[in-house]
Amino acid sequence: AQSVTQPDIHITVSEGASLELRCNYSYGATPYLFWYVQSPGQGLQLLLKYFSGDTLVQGIKGFEAEFKRSQSSFNLRKPSVHWSDAAEYFCAVCSSSNFGNEKLTFGTGTRLTIIP
Amino acid sequence: GAVVSQHPSRVICKSGTSVKIECRSLDFQATTMFWYRQFPKQSLMLMATSNEGSKATYEQGVEKDKFLINHASLTLSTLTVTSAHPEDSSFYICSVRLQEKLFFGSGTQLSVL
Repeated sequence: AQSVTQPDIHITVSEGASLELRCNYSYGATPYLFWYVQSPGQGLQLLLKYFSGDTLVQGIKGFEAEFKRSQSSFNLRKPSVHWSDAAEYFCAVCSSSNFGNEKLTFGTGTRLTIIP
Repeated sequence: GAVVSQHPSRVICKSGTSVKIECRSLDFQATTMFWYRQFPKQSLMLMATSNEGSKATYEQGVEKDKFLINHASLTLSTLTVTSAHPEDSSFYICSVRLQEKLFFGSGTQLSVL
C-alpha cells in the first residue's frame, strides 16, 4: 500500500529565509506526487505536481520540488519565504492507475510559521 | 476565485444528532465529487466518491448508512453524518476534479459533544 510521511509537524522560518519541507513516500511503481497548501479558512490549493519527465518541478508562488527516486522523496523548497506563506502544507501521492479515481494518499501535513 | 464552496466551516453538535455538510461546485458542473476526512494528527483519507444521479462509492471501512451522501444535482453534493458521536469529530473536506486538477473546499470542522 502506498503511504506518505511528512516528518516535520511544525516548522518555523524567518521571513526571507529559505525553506525545505520534507516528504517521503512508499510506493512500488512510479508515483504521481503532489504538494498542496491550505491557508487558514481556505481549501487545499495545488502548488505543484510531478507525473513524469524533469524531476525538478516548478509550481506556483515560487515553490519548487524535486523528485528523487533513490531517496523516495519529493521535498518542497522555496528560496525566500514571505509572511503569506504561513499555512499547512500537504504532500500526496497516488498511482497513475488510481489518479482517475482520486485515491490520493496524503501526509499528515506540516504547519509552517513565519516569524519577522 | 474559489472553485468549490463548502459549508458550514465549523459545526458543534450534541451526540445523537445529524449534521449535513454541503459542497458546491461554482460555475461548472461536477458529475463526481469526493469526500475526505482528517482525524487529528492523521492524514486526509478518502471516504467516498459522490456520483450525480447514482449511489456513492464508499471506501473500505466507511459506513454508508452513517455517512449519507446525496448528489442530486450537478453542482451540489451533501454529506450527512447521522447520529453523530464524539468519535465522528473530524475535519471533513470535499473536492472536485476539473481538467485533471483537484479543487478542494475549505473544509468543515465537526465537533460532537
